[in-house]
Amino acid sequence: DAGITQSPRYKITETGRQVTLMCHQTWSHSYMFWYRQDLGHGLRLIYYSAAADITDKGEVPDGYVVSRSKTENFPLTLESATRSQTSVYFCASSDLSGGSEQFFGPGTRLTVL
Amino acid sequence: GENVEQHPSTLSVQEGDSAVIKCTYSDSASNYFPWYKQELGKGPQLIIDIRSNVGEKKDQRIAVTLNKTAKHFSLHITETQPEDSAVYFCAASGPGGSYIPTFGRGTSLIVHP
Repeated sequence: DAGITQSPRYKITETGRQVTLMCHQTWSHSYMFWYRQDLGHGLRLIYYSAAADITDKGEVPDGYVVSRSKTENFPLTLESATRSQTSVYFCASSDLSGGSEQFFGPGTRLTVL
Repeated sequence: GENVEQHPSTLSVQEGDSAVIKCTYSDSASNYFPWYKQELGKGPQLIIDIRSNVGEKKDQRIAVTLNKTAKHFSLHITETQPEDSAVYFCAASGPGGSYIPTFGRGTSLIVHP
């Protein structure tokens, strides 16, 4: 199916565990993004990638790791989850050429106990 | 970097009324201004966008206006319907930030039947 997908949609984990959230897009968009959404904070950029093997920090990168070995995939890893990382995580993709629409995935709700 | 302020954070209207959401931005070089609608449990979706060479854009009941001098832009929804109830985000991007969007904190619009 064409589009952008995230997995899992829901995840419960414990403090200190490693968690990886997956994101896959079928448009071959050059840019991909990870956001977290918390009440009162809107969408905060964690990391973004301009192309395969190129990643850069956003507003709130601490505690997160990303990689982009293939254009279509952009996994987000929490190396040692903390309760403050309980949030809804959205992946997005875009061409971004001169400013353009971002396409968002359905989100992953992560709870860290 | 770019800073986007969005007001109000919550907006409650009666069905059929108009709704206006306002955003200001700080970087005069920003030239792309999208608006996203996020329904409950879903990712944000673009509803309308405007570029800096245009002052106003309309799409049925939705319109966006841009005042470059004052550095603010607004979303106008006329004849609101219950299905317009959602969270709305504005964003700004431009060459100063490599076209990485900066989002406002969102407005929760509630349309009462």
